[in-house]
Amino acid sequence: GAVVSQHPSRVICKSGTSVKIECRSLDFQATTMFWYRQFPKQSLMLMATSNEGSKATYEQGVEKDKFLINHASLTLSTLTVTSAHPEDSSFYICSAPPDRVGGYTFGSGTRLTVV
Amino acid sequence: AQSVTQLDSQVPVFEEAPVELRCNYSSSVSVYLFWYVQYPNQGLQLLLKYLSGSTLVKGINGFEAEFNKSQTSFHLRKPSVHISDTAEYFCAVTQGGSNYKLTFGKGTLLTVNP
Repeated sequence: GAVVSQHPSRVICKSGTSVKIECRSLDFQATTMFWYRQFPKQSLMLMATSNEGSKATYEQGVEKDKFLINHASLTLSTLTVTSAHPEDSSFYICSAPPDRVGGYTFGSGTRLTVV
Repeated sequence: AQSVTQLDSQVPVFEEAPVELRCNYSSSVSVYLFWYVQYPNQGLQLLLKYLSGSTLVKGINGFEAEFNKSQTSFHLRKPSVHISDTAEYFCAVTQGGSNYKLTFGKGTLLTVNP
C-alpha cells in the first residue's frame, strides 16, 4: 500500500531556531499533502494543505510566516517551523489525500519539543 | 461545515469485555466516515471506513462500525477487547469530492485492564 515517510520522528530544538519536517510519498505521487498538529491529549487539527507548484492553503488562525509549507516535488512536502517557541511544541503529522478507495495515508508523525 | 463528536473522552474496560466507542457527526451533505487508532507517539492507522454500500463495516483487529444516517452516528464496536487494544481512537469525517479534508473528533482513550 501507499507509504508516507515522515522525518524526523523526534526533534528537540532551542527557542528561536527553525525546524524542518519532511514528508515523502514513497511509492506514489502526491500533488497535495495535509499537515496536522496535535496537542497532548487532543485531536488533530488541520493546519494547512500544501500544493505542488503553488502556494499552500492555510486554515484560519494558522500563521503563514511561522509555519512555512513547501511542496517541492510530487513526492516531497515540507513544514518548517520558524523561530520556534515552547508553545510550538507539539506532534505534527502529514497525510496524503485519499486514494481511489478513499484511504488516507498518514506519516508516522514528528514530536517537536522546543526548549 | 462538518463536525465530529466523540462522546466519551475515556473508556476503561476489562480484557475480553465488549466495547463501543461512540461517534456522531454533523454535515449538510453526504459524508465518508473513518475510524483511526493511534498508539503513543505514532501516526494514525486506519481501522475501517464507510464510503457507501453496507452500513455495517468490518475493519482490522476485529473492529466493526455501523453507519446510521438517521442518527448521524458511526459507533465503533469490538465484541472482546485485548490489552493490546489500549490506544487513542479517532473518528473522522470528510465530504469527499473536491473537499476531502478530514475533520477529526477529539478522540477516545480506550484503556483495557487485565
